[in-house]
Parts: sequence; C-alpha cells; structure tokens
Amino acid sequence: TQLLEQSPQFLSIQEGENLTVYCNSSSVFSSLQWYRQEPGEGPVLLVTVVTGGEVKKLKRLTFQFGDARKDSSLHITAAQPGDTGLYLCAGRDRGSTLGRLYFGRGTQLTVWP
Amino acid sequence: DAMVIQNPRYQVTQFGKPVTLSCSQTLNHNVMYWYQQKSSQAPKLLFHYYDKDFNNEADTPDNFQSRRPNTSFCFLDIRSPGLGDAAMYLCATSRGGGFQETQYFGPGTRLLVL
Repeated sequence: TQLLEQSPQFLSIQEGENLTVYCNSSSVFSSLQWYRQEPGEGPVLLVTVVTGGEVKKLKRLTFQFGDARKDSSLHITAAQPGDTGLYLCAGRDRGSTLGRLYFGRGTQLTVWP
Repeated sequence: DAMVIQNPRYQVTQFGKPVTLSCSQTLNHNVMYWYQQKSSQAPKLLFHYYDKDFNNEADTPDNFQSRRPNTSFCFLDIRSPGLGDAAMYLCATSRGGGFQETQYFGPGTRLLVL
C-alpha cells in the first residue's frame, strides 16, 4: 500500500490569509493530482502534476511537485470563503496496470469571512 | 451537463438488508470505479471495471459486489450491510488507465445503515 500523508488535517483561517497544505509519501509517483471536495459532492480535479519540480498555477492556487516526485504542496494566496472544502491529493503509480490512484485523507479547509 | 450520475444521493437501509447503488455516465469512458469514503478518511478503491473486465481490490469484503451491464451503467450491491458500511460511496470514470488520465467523480451516495 502506498500511503499519502496530508497535513494539516484541519485548517481554519480568515479571508485574505495565505496557506499551504502538504502531501507527503515515501513512495515515488508517476503523477500527482489535487482534488477539492465540497460537502455532499464528489471530488473535482484541480490539477495534475507530472514532472519532478513542476509548478502549476491556477489563479490563486499554486501547486508544486517535489523533485523526487514523492511530495507535493498546494499554496493558496488571499483565501476566500469559496475556497472552503476538503482538499485531497492522490498519487498515481505508473507500475500498476491501470495507474490506480492512492488518496490522502485530505485537508479540511474553512475560510471565514 | 451531468457526466457521472449517482442514484440515489441518500440511501437508508436496515442492518442486513441488501441494497444497490447506481452509477451512470454520459462520457462513454472505458473505466468505472467504485470508492468508499468514510468520514475524515481517504476514498478507498473497492473495485473497477475496464470495459467488462472486473478488478477487485484484495481487501474489498465479499459483501460488496458489482455489475456493469453496459458501458454506461455500473452498480454496487451490498449483500448484507453492516453498521460499518455506512459511508459515502463514490463512482468515478476515466477514459483509460494512463497515468495522466483524469477521473471524473459523481456526487456520491451517502449510505446510512440502521
């Protein structure tokens, strides 16, 4: 089993603050994806990172894949209440037949107005 | 515009009473997945289909079965639900299994076992 550890598990901040959440593993992944899940809904893909050291930006969200492809981070600038949700990272194993996803437990983010 | 549809959104069943959850997709994707997600836990893959080929995860209990009668539909059958089976059940699809493939998730069915 390939485990992804996410930290922090819970994060509660005020609107306008910056934050970073982390996704770490001892395993190497061929790609890593970040999803956001809102209450009562399924996860929605935010980004896929593939290359070690890769940085992707999606408006106020910045995603980074570690050089060794074992870890990733998500940084949100000037958080807004609409950013509230469960952020899940999921790693893909190139070695498996179907590139199965291994999910972390997620970081529950609450942004207060 | 719905792409992955799950019915029902909420299901209440009694301990030991069989229940079936439904998933349909309009994407014509080859792969369909069923995940179980308990509160504050990561989604856990139960099984998946690549076309008609069924792949069961080693630690998926025998109590859980699945059917895929055609490309569009996939069902999750829980033969004798226990209290520990209460969870959100997520269906997802992908075109193939490549390492950059996107999985598209449905809204989930929240199962309550009384």
